[in-house]
Amino acid sequence: AQKITQTQPGMFVQEKEAVTLDCTYDTSDQSYGLFWYKQPSSGEMIFLIYQGSYDEQNATEGRYSLNFQKARKSANLVISASQLGDSAMYFCAMRGVVKGNKLVFGAGTILRVKS
Amino acid sequence: DTEVTQTPKHLVMGMTNKKSLKCEQHMGHRAMYWYKQKAKKPPELMFVYSYEKLSINESVPSRFSPECPNSSLLNLHLHALQPEDSALYLCASSQAYSEVTEAFFGQGTRLTVV
Repeated sequence: AQKITQTQPGMFVQEKEAVTLDCTYDTSDQSYGLFWYKQPSSGEMIFLIYQGSYDEQNATEGRYSLNFQKARKSANLVISASQLGDSAMYFCAMRGVVKGNKLVFGAGTILRVKS
Repeated sequence: DTEVTQTPKHLVMGMTNKKSLKCEQHMGHRAMYWYKQKAKKPPELMFVYSYEKLSINESVPSRFSPECPNSSLLNLHLHALQPEDSALYLCASSQAYSEVTEAFFGQGTRLTVV
């Protein structure tokens, strides 16, 4: 089976601090992709970052980095220097052959940045 | 340009109406998707088009009818919807369905069925 687990329904972070959003996954695939998306209240689903299962280095995109620990099957998102505009729902997702390459989402984490 | 454009952004329709949602991408992607999302839940896959052919239908009721007129356009035709169909409908595209690559989403259409 292929499953994504996000155990933090909601998180608070102080502006300018770093925050880690947790994501663990379960798959029997050897080749798969892990993704993080941000969804503000406006509804748009914004792609943030991608990590391939064979990538040896953690992915980074600006203030976003993905802490990929393959043996532990975790793909945590780290946001550095949080900004008020980071307040949103964050979804971890994965794609792999087992699920026919369908994008499987976790339940999401609501992040609130405090000033 | 990683833009997927959806129209309209908001739609209110009666249960006897017929309406259509539109989606457009110009990234040369060959896979396009429709998702349905209820409040505070993750998106649920409805349909997948691969190279303009319907590849996956996730047992969606026939009152939802997808159409892919060409590689850049994706429509979702709505007819005789129920109030429980009220949701955010998201369109997405990716390079190819067979590849494990990121999907890019549009802004969504907030549908209310009255």
